[in-house]
Amino acid sequence: NAGVTQTPKFQVLKTGQSMTLQCAQDMNHEYMSWYRQDPGMGLRLIHYSVGAGITDQGEVPNGYNVSRSTTEDFPLRLLSAAPSQTSVYFCASSYDGSGNQPQHFGDGTRLSIL
Amino acid sequence: KQEVTQIPAALSVPEGENLVLNCSFTDSAIYNLQWFRQDPGKGLTSLLLIQSSQREQTSGRLNASLDKSSGRSTLYIAASQPGDSATYLCAVRPRGNNRLAFGKGNQVVVIP
Repeated sequence: NAGVTQTPKFQVLKTGQSMTLQCAQDMNHEYMSWYRQDPGMGLRLIHYSVGAGITDQGEVPNGYNVSRSTTEDFPLRLLSAAPSQTSVYFCASSYDGSGNQPQHFGDGTRLSIL
Repeated sequence: KQEVTQIPAALSVPEGENLVLNCSFTDSAIYNLQWFRQDPGKGLTSLLLIQSSQREQTSGRLNASLDKSSGRSTLYIAASQPGDSATYLCAVRPRGNNRLAFGKGNQVVVIP
């Protein structure tokens, strides 16, 4: 059981480039989410999904897109990277969105935008 | 907007001492509160989840309490060990939405 897997672990981009951060879970969890973690800011929710085909915005959604075509995968897309998007990105999942189940986190993707 | 505060930001304790970490939140309308551990360069590991109807949860040397009316939770780690060195974060799930609100964490160093 791999849990939540994020790829890549590290990435350096130039301003204006696009890329997709991958997230996959093998626990059949309905609820998945993306956070970014910045020094002094804590973790902030970017987007989340309560099931395949359903996504919604979190606290800081601008500059990011998501889709949820399968239960297992929840990719995060940066359309035109900006230096302000330099951060550590975490994907998380839980059995459902009811709040009764703990969230499981991946090991993160460390992204630098030059 | 739910605000979650963890003070102090960093602390050091000698091995064997009991650790007490505090978390406060501004809105008592929550589904649950969760404590996480984060090691350097790693993701978050869930330690304990307390439902809003519960007063405490225990797992081994860890005990977390919840006082919803006063907006406080305490994580208690008995007989600390160097392996307990990590950052501990608390997060609350507000009622009415799916967004976890995180504190900024307590960075703990246990000195051998």
